[in-house]
Amino acid sequence: DAKTTQPNSMESNEEEPVHLPCNHSTISGTDYIHWYRQLPSQGPEYVIHGLTSNVNNRMASLAIAEDRKSSTLILHRATLRDAAVYYCILRKPRGGSQGNLIFGKGTKLSVKP
Amino acid sequence: DTAVSQTPKYLVTQMGNDKSIKCEQNLGHDTMYWYKQDSKKFLKIMFSYNNKELIINETVPNRFSPKSPDKAHLNLHINSLELGDSAVYFCASSQDLIASTDTQYFGPGTRLTVL
Repeated sequence: DAKTTQPNSMESNEEEPVHLPCNHSTISGTDYIHWYRQLPSQGPEYVIHGLTSNVNNRMASLAIAEDRKSSTLILHRATLRDAAVYYCILRKPRGGSQGNLIFGKGTKLSVKP
Repeated sequence: DTAVSQTPKYLVTQMGNDKSIKCEQNLGHDTMYWYKQDSKKFLKIMFSYNNKELIINETVPNRFSPKSPDKAHLNLHINSLELGDSAVYFCASSQDLIASTDTQYFGPGTRLTVL
């Protein structure tokens, strides 16, 4: 399985942008890049996903490097509620176990008021 | 309305007991999952069900048995509970098991403590 590498932790100030990096140098051409986050004492929640082009939604933006070996999740204005563990996951376009979400350690984001 | 719900939220029990955790989704999804998050916070998939059929069994001990009475429910039954079963169990659902763009929706979790 293609693996992802994320920093263990990051800190941000409230109302400032946050850039969460993810390296995935062994990504294959058909792997999608998914981001989920897990707020304290809650289940994971979907944030965003992309394949090649940058993506924007109401929660965040996803910037994907041209060679697709890395990506960055961008929170445009961090709030205290954004404090969570952020998971970068590669997902294969196949069914069965190869289509699983494989969660790594993620990045624990702390937001300071 | 809660999209994916689980009961109970907390479960404390003795070793050797049998217990069940219930999960319901009201999203009309075809696929449901069970995940286990251990004390080190690693989240691992245990099972998935697609249209009431087991699709994946990720080398989970056969003491764990998922049961799906219908498409909206996937319950987890655990026999002969062991200390190592203590963890937070999350249920999730998604529209389609196959599509790589599919989004999973997670429940709030059930914290199981085995004494």
